[in-house]
Amino acid sequence: QQPVQSPQAVILREGEDAVINCSSSKALYSVHWYRQKHGEAPVFLMILLKGGEQKGHDKISASFNEKKQQSSLYLTASQLSYSGTYFCGTENNAGNMLTFGGGTRLMVKP
Amino acid sequence: KAGVTQTPRYLIKTRGQQVTLSCSPISGHRSVSWYQQTPGQGLQFLFEYFSETQRNKGNFPGRFSGRQFSNSRSEMNVSTLELGDSALYLCASSLSTGGAEEQYFGPGTRLTVT
Repeated sequence: QQPVQSPQAVILREGEDAVINCSSSKALYSVHWYRQKHGEAPVFLMILLKGGEQKGHDKISASFNEKKQQSSLYLTASQLSYSGTYFCGTENNAGNMLTFGGGTRLMVKP
Repeated sequence: KAGVTQTPRYLIKTRGQQVTLSCSPISGHRSVSWYQQTPGQGLQFLFEYFSETQRNKGNFPGRFSGRQFSNSRSEMNVSTLELGDSALYLCASSLSTGGAEEQYFGPGTRLTVT
């Protein structure tokens, strides 16, 4: 089952912060975050693992609440380059397929 | 290191035809996954191959098939094309398939079925 992302879209001014949420109805092994700019391929941002280990980017942070099967991506002091669509992908067990959420469109304006 | 490459980048086909798309993973990556991306359905998993074996399969009809070669390159095939198959087909490679692996996406093949 597809994870649910919220909000579906957000508009920010440069320097503002944003939070994107990803919720699943199933127990999760890991949560993956990707950003896709228009006309380009998705680019890996971060993986969060059950047990708290986090891999990824130092300019963007994220959390993973295993009990709630929820992850949040935190974009602080946003830059114009942060614009794009953010996808979370969830993995229910190690080695299972990634199921992606519907995406959150983020636009950062000057 | 060269990224994931996909060929062709654009393709126009007619209903009922078949199509083969190709994906070359990053050197050293042994896992290749395929996704279909459409505005309505988002990013949907098709299948994953590791060491020439299909490891995971998404919920797509049997018209969608794939394979992986010994050099980790992968192809996917769609037979008897339908209008609804028009989409961006993305492949992604990762080092292995043990879970929580970063996936690196290729630029995609834009398939239009008329």
